[in-house]
Amino acid sequence: KAGVTQTPRYLIKTRGQQVTLSCSPISGHRSVSWYQQTPGQGLQFLFEYFSETQRNKGNFPGRFSGRQFSNSRSEMNVSTLELGDSALYLCASSLGTISYNEQFFGPGTRLTVL
Amino acid sequence: GQNIDQPTEMTATEGAIVQINCTYQTSGFNGLFWYQQHAGEAPTFLSYNVLDGLEEKGRFSSFLSRSKGYSYLLLKELQMKDSASYLCAVDGSGAGSYQLTFGKGTKLSVIP
Repeated sequence: KAGVTQTPRYLIKTRGQQVTLSCSPISGHRSVSWYQQTPGQGLQFLFEYFSETQRNKGNFPGRFSGRQFSNSRSEMNVSTLELGDSALYLCASSLGTISYNEQFFGPGTRLTVL
Repeated sequence: GQNIDQPTEMTATEGAIVQINCTYQTSGFNGLFWYQQHAGEAPTFLSYNVLDGLEEKGRFSSFLSRSKGYSYLLLKELQMKDSASYLCAVDGSGAGSYQLTFGKGTKLSVIP
């Protein structure tokens, strides 16, 4: 069974640009969650999508958005990039929603904003 | 809001037992996760505790006390490969919104 895949693995952007990251969950998983990980703040929850609907959202500005497609694949978009957005972005999938379910993480996308 | 505290670093000897503590103050609580993260890798799920008490899973056990806002991860028969960061995270809700909050992680070094 293939694991969670994320593309691209590495990305370099400049301030003001926008970026779209992609996540393909494990087959059969309906929930996809997104996280930002930085050395200073650690791992922070961005949002969760379940059956194409945003189910939960963390405390991030509206520049961070996402969506989920009918095949459960998910994309995350960050607009008007800031230097502080440089981070490892992880997605995780699970059979059901985050609560009570084991999450499987992808390898992450390393975003660098110059 | 949510606040989670765990020690920054710990060192233990191969073959020994180590306990990693996590205390939390949250406005809502569904359950508590423990994750393992090796350097340069993605986190791996270890456990999810909903009820008070100890849950054992092989060499790893996790304990929860909801009334005390306290959890610990117990690692037995330590192996070198257990050197990693261990993250606790509270799954909850507050002020009408869902929150999933992670601690900063405890970096465990296992020495021979």
